[in-house]
Amino acid sequence: DIQLTQSPPFLSASVGDRVTITCRASQDISNFLAWYQQKPGKAPKLLIYTASTLQSGVPSRFSGSGSGTEFTLTVASLQPEDFATYYCQHRHSYPVTFGQGTRLDI
Amino acid sequence: EVQLVESGGALVQPGGSLRLSCAASGFTFRNYWMSWVRQAPGKGLEWVANINQDGSAIHYVDSVKGRFTISRDNAKNSVFLQMNSLRAEDTAVYFCARLYGDVTIFDFWGQGTLVTVSS
Repeated sequence: DIQLTQSPPFLSASVGDRVTITCRASQDISNFLAWYQQKPGKAPKLLIYTASTLQSGVPSRFSGSGSGTEFTLTVASLQPEDFATYYCQHRHSYPVTFGQGTRLDI
Repeated sequence: EVQLVESGGALVQPGGSLRLSCAASGFTFRNYWMSWVRQAPGKGLEWVANINQDGSAIHYVDSVKGRFTISRDNAKNSVFLQMNSLRAEDTAVYFCARLYGDVTIFDFWGQGTLVTVSS
């Protein structure tokens, strides 16, 4: 199975900050990576797929990059509603797996 | 508006069975792959199973193979998860999700239903 390791697991930041979360895959997954945002008690929300394609309706302050084994999610200027947990997920092969999550706190 | 509404979660004893349902609306259900994803309390996300448009292609995570069965009824716009031989480690919120095209990208999610396996 392909393992995804996110770093950091916890991140404290302030409104207006630029933050970057990293997701590393245990083997080459090309660009078959997605990012999700989850708020407490809610379902995850798709932000980015195919490593860098912004899902419709997602603010442009979110961006993704990377290929192969290293990927990043960047939030250009944090807004209050962005404080949440973020997960990466690959779809290279079955079983699809998620990273362990990065909790972004104020 | 796409909506996915799960139901069927409950408290069940180890070794017991449960059937989860997910009612879909707001899109042409028969055209989409569907999936179940779970999240243990305070933990991360774990993909459980996928089913294609007509039920002819199904995939499971190893930990549920032989115990869980995903199925769908396109006439009723619903997807199901039959869970047998339940274990404490199956305790989780179970989310129904729609897949984007024919690839495992979860573009819409339900609100989840809680399954608790405990004596």
